[in-house]
Amino acid sequence: DTGVSQDPRHKITKRGQNVTFRCDPISEHNRLYWYRQTLGQGPEFLTYFQNEAQLEKSRLLSDRFSAERPKGSFSTLEIQRTEQGDSAMYLCASQAGGSYEQYFGPGTRLTVT
Amino acid sequence: AQSVAQPEDQVNVAEGNPLTVKCTYSVSGNPYLFWYVQYPNRGLQFLLKYITGDNLVKGSYGFEAEFNKSQTSFHLKKPSALVSDSALYFCAVRDLRDGGYNKLIFGAGTRLAVHP
Repeated sequence: DTGVSQDPRHKITKRGQNVTFRCDPISEHNRLYWYRQTLGQGPEFLTYFQNEAQLEKSRLLSDRFSAERPKGSFSTLEIQRTEQGDSAMYLCASQAGGSYEQYFGPGTRLTVT
Repeated sequence: AQSVAQPEDQVNVAEGNPLTVKCTYSVSGNPYLFWYVQYPNRGLQFLLKYITGDNLVKGSYGFEAEFNKSQTSFHLKKPSALVSDSALYFCAVRDLRDGGYNKLIFGAGTRLAVHP
């Protein structure tokens, strides 16, 4: 399967713990996005990478959130000191330069207890 | 403000009948519009897009969408619904406030239920 992959698919953590999610985009795609989706809502943009550069961050992304994309390949999203309000599906999408459609991974469902 | 509205939480249709899932948008400038479908426990799958050109756009799985600039709408359609089309459908518009980074603003989604 050459689509976007995300790991883990599910994560249950206790409030206050740190979590890290990984996204592997389609190999030739240089653009990578993170979105968050809560129940009954559409995805909301969190952050964007072009190659290894993080070019945009949403105001939704508090200072407890950090994302990286070393060497312009896979990306990680870390949440420090998790809160119950962080419970959501975290989606990663990749896009080829010059195209408009984004291809989404299956998501990581985070539950903070 | 840039926004997308999907006025129906759920659409019910009988198998074999035509279906329409509604979407209206608000953007400054020319809109770049998208439809995605989400099946349970899976990510979003791209269905179709409108960037420019013909107002009727054809996409995957027999879906099409009609761009109407005067009504600021981009409704998703299919001539004959299948039970397997039952899923959550999202309309999205490119957020033109950015520097060309193509981040998307999504509607809240419409659940399509196709009954045998």
